[in-house]
Amino acid sequence: AQKVTQAQTEISVVEKEDVTLDCVYETRDTTYYLFWYKQPPSGELVFLIRRNSFDEQNEISGRYSWNFQKSTSSFNFTITASQVVDSAVYFCALSERPQAGTALIFGKGTTLSVSS
Amino acid sequence: KAGVTQTPRYLIKTRGQQVTLSCSPISGHRSVSWYQQTPGQGLQFLFEYFSETQRNKGNFPGRFSGRQFSNSRSEMNVSTLELGDSALYLCASSIDIKSQYFGPGTRLLVL
Repeated sequence: AQKVTQAQTEISVVEKEDVTLDCVYETRDTTYYLFWYKQPPSGELVFLIRRNSFDEQNEISGRYSWNFQKSTSSFNFTITASQVVDSAVYFCALSERPQAGTALIFGKGTTLSVSS
Repeated sequence: KAGVTQTPRYLIKTRGQQVTLSCSPISGHRSVSWYQQTPGQGLQFLFEYFSETQRNKGNFPGRFSGRQFSNSRSEMNVSTLELGDSALYLCASSIDIKSQYFGPGTRLLVL
């Protein structure tokens, strides 16, 4: 069965520290998409990145980077030089059989607190 | 381009009542999905509508229903409300799986 696991429930860091959020997924499909979303206190989910199962190239966007490894079914997210504005809940999500719809399976989320 | 809008933003109901939530997708997006977020269960997929047809459905009781209109606007209805239905209900609109944009959500409190 499909599943997304974010083992870290809460992480607290001090500004400028690097932090990695872990995501492990389970799926039987060969075609799937993985996502990361950020949810600030306002509640709206903000899209951060999407990766399809055929693209294992790592990606960097400013202070954000993502490491996708099919061999370990992981899609980890690193924030470099964290800032207070990074404080939020981060969700990893999986979409299987994308040709059949857009349903997302979310992990439980990791609450990141960055203090100054 | 306007984002996804959801109305109302906050709602208080009592057990046994029913409620209707509305979602207006981004212009040109034909798919609308609904999610329920609770502290205990996290974010769970309710259903997806595409061109006025339900394309996917999550594992929720029949009290949860939805529909989509010809302008892609969607409504979800919860009948016979229970305390456990208190949650943040999020709507997402998309053209395809590659890009899903979420609205600000409707916070429902059932007393």
